Amino acid sequence: AQRVTQPEKLLSVFKGAPVELKCNYSYSGSPELFWYVQYSRQRLQLLLRHISRESIKGFTADLNKGETSFHLKKPFAQEEDSAMYYCALKKQSNTGKLIFGQGTTLQVKP
Amino acid sequence: GAVVSQHPSWVICKSGTSVKIECRSLDFQATTMFWYRQFPKQSLMLMATSNEGSKATYEQGVEKDKFLINHASLTLSTLTVTSAHPEDSSFYICSASKQGFSGELFFGEGSRLTVL
Repeated sequence: AQRVTQPEKLLSVFKGAPVELKCNYSYSGSPELFWYVQYSRQRLQLLLRHISRESIKGFTADLNKGETSFHLKKPFAQEEDSAMYYCALKKQSNTGKLIFGQGTTLQVKP
Repeated sequence: GAVVSQHPSWVICKSGTSVKIECRSLDFQATTMFWYRQFPKQSLMLMATSNEGSKATYEQGVEKDKFLINHASLTLSTLTVTSAHPEDSSFYICSASKQGFSGELFFGEGSRLTVL
């Protein structure tokens, strides 16, 4: 069964500290993974997708098939990064079906 | 841009009544929309896939007679919670993908349903 696990409900760091939000998945096929973010009082929005291999707002995520992980990283956290982060797995090819992890709240303290 | 709008954003109803939530793609056509349910401080649970002009596809465990979905046009999908009960109280979120899905879903702002 497809599953996405984010083991941390809350991650609290100080401004300028490195951040790593963990995401593990289980999927028998070739996975496509995404990170979505929800800032306070805003709707969910795409942060990045693994196939793009891009860095958005200083965040990167590398797909590690051996460890079935897709951790989100940023070397120096900013206060404006405080938000809820969801890791998501594309359930089927060519559809928008996404399976979301439980979400991790990132709190960046001044 | 790609904007998805939900209405109402907040609704309270009495037990036994039905409530309709609309999801509109404002500036693009969405052949497929998705309905999620989110419990407090929990993940989004996919309820169903709404396909324009055809029947919705429901995820396992979701009662299709309870949660009626209609996708009558390329810009509108509706979710009707029938004979609502307090346990149906939740945050319902819709999302849509543009044609040629690239992985990005565009989310509505969500609709909070409270059933008394």
